[in-house]
Amino acid sequence: GNSVTQMEGPVTLSEEAFLTINCTYTATGYPSLFWYVQYPGEGLQLLLKATKADDKGSNKGFEATYRKETTSFHLEKGSVQVSDSAVYFCALSPSGSARQLTFGSGTQLTVLP
Amino acid sequence: DTAVSQTPKYLVTQMGNDKSIKCEQNLGHDTMYWYKQDSKKFLKIMFSYNNKELIINETVPNRFSPKSPDKAHLNLHINSLELGDSAVYFCASSQASGETEAFFGQGTRLTVV
Repeated sequence: GNSVTQMEGPVTLSEEAFLTINCTYTATGYPSLFWYVQYPGEGLQLLLKATKADDKGSNKGFEATYRKETTSFHLEKGSVQVSDSAVYFCALSPSGSARQLTFGSGTQLTVLP
Repeated sequence: DTAVSQTPKYLVTQMGNDKSIKCEQNLGHDTMYWYKQDSKKFLKIMFSYNNKELIINETVPNRFSPKSPDKAHLNLHINSLELGDSAVYFCASSQASGETEAFFGQGTRLTVV
């Protein structure tokens, strides 16, 4: 079956530090890959996505590249802000549709001023 | 103008009670979902409805019964609540087909005492 593995949290960084949250997946074929973010007290919202190998998704300074050879979709940001503190979820969908999303376990990020 | 709204936001109840959580979306989406997020932030799909018809029913106790009076509403009724039902429950919606994004509500924190 499909599965997503994220690095264990929590992750604590100082403002302006570089962020990497690792994500690897198991799936047949070519799934679409997503990062969702959950800010405190809110529901999840889509941060970025990539639909085929070597695609790079980007939004709000965050980037992730779809690596088929390593089955990975690591999230990166060059300089984090306090407002980036949230829980980040990696997810995949075999068809690209939200109807078949499989989520990772989430990684809590705290950014200190 | 909330896209996906669920009520109540917090629910504290005793074991054995029956409770409902309501969800409404004003996005015109065809598909709605219920997810359960446990204390470790792990997110797992429970149900998915498309145009008022059940299309996904994961391994969930039959004490949980979703009801969709129309495609804009998907309510979750839980009978004979147990301590292990304590979690945050998220409603979400998406378009039925194609590469789509899931939109989540703010969640309902259910505490069974």
